[in-house]
Amino acid sequence: DAGITQSPRHKVTETGTPVTLRCHQTENHRYMYWYRQDPGHGLRLIHYSYGVKDTDKGEVSDGYSVSRSKTEDFLLTLESATSSQTSVYFCATVGGGETQYFGPGTRLLVL
Amino acid sequence: AQSVTQPDIHITVSEGASLELRCNYSYGATPYLFWYVQSPGQGLQLLLKYFSGDTLVQGIKGFEAEFKRSQSSFNLRKPSVHWSDAAEYFCAVGHLSGSARQLTFGSGTQLTVLP
Repeated sequence: DAGITQSPRHKVTETGTPVTLRCHQTENHRYMYWYRQDPGHGLRLIHYSYGVKDTDKGEVSDGYSVSRSKTEDFLLTLESATSSQTSVYFCATVGGGETQYFGPGTRLLVL
Repeated sequence: AQSVTQPDIHITVSEGASLELRCNYSYGATPYLFWYVQSPGQGLQLLLKYFSGDTLVQGIKGFEAEFKRSQSSFNLRKPSVHWSDAAEYFCAVGHLSGSARQLTFGSGTQLTVLP
């Protein structure tokens, strides 16, 4: 357990509105990740961070931005939500042994 | 590019029966391999991992997996399934890309356990 919390856990929003999801960790881990999970696709990497203010794109980054102003928080922003961004979003951090540990997830519905 | 294939979308077994979930990967170097389990509405929990050494690795909940380099496989096994094992199982390969080690996941195998 890497002490990861995600907020909100559930959100319903409308197309075109901005949405920010928060990931908070208590283990002082350097690396943090955002994934989305969709049926038939497993988990796909959106963005990741390798330190404060250091971020990079993943496989499915279009339409998403991230920020990390302090070690414990990694924010994912949908600037203008679309229905294709309806998904379950997971945050992860890397603990000992290069193993990723996952948060509980956020269910996002874009109407 | 790396990839992971889980050929079985859905598997049904009876409680007490043995289980094998298949995973094939494509990666140019020595892989880091993982199996995760996800119960409904939950996050992913690590079952086991392989980095190097003994190719048969033991995990939590009585699971084991065997790394076979010649077959590019990392199949998950359990000798006797319990009803609580019903969940979705994900295989993943770890690789260095950009500025961090990343995971590429398979699409998952849904396990149903019959009483």
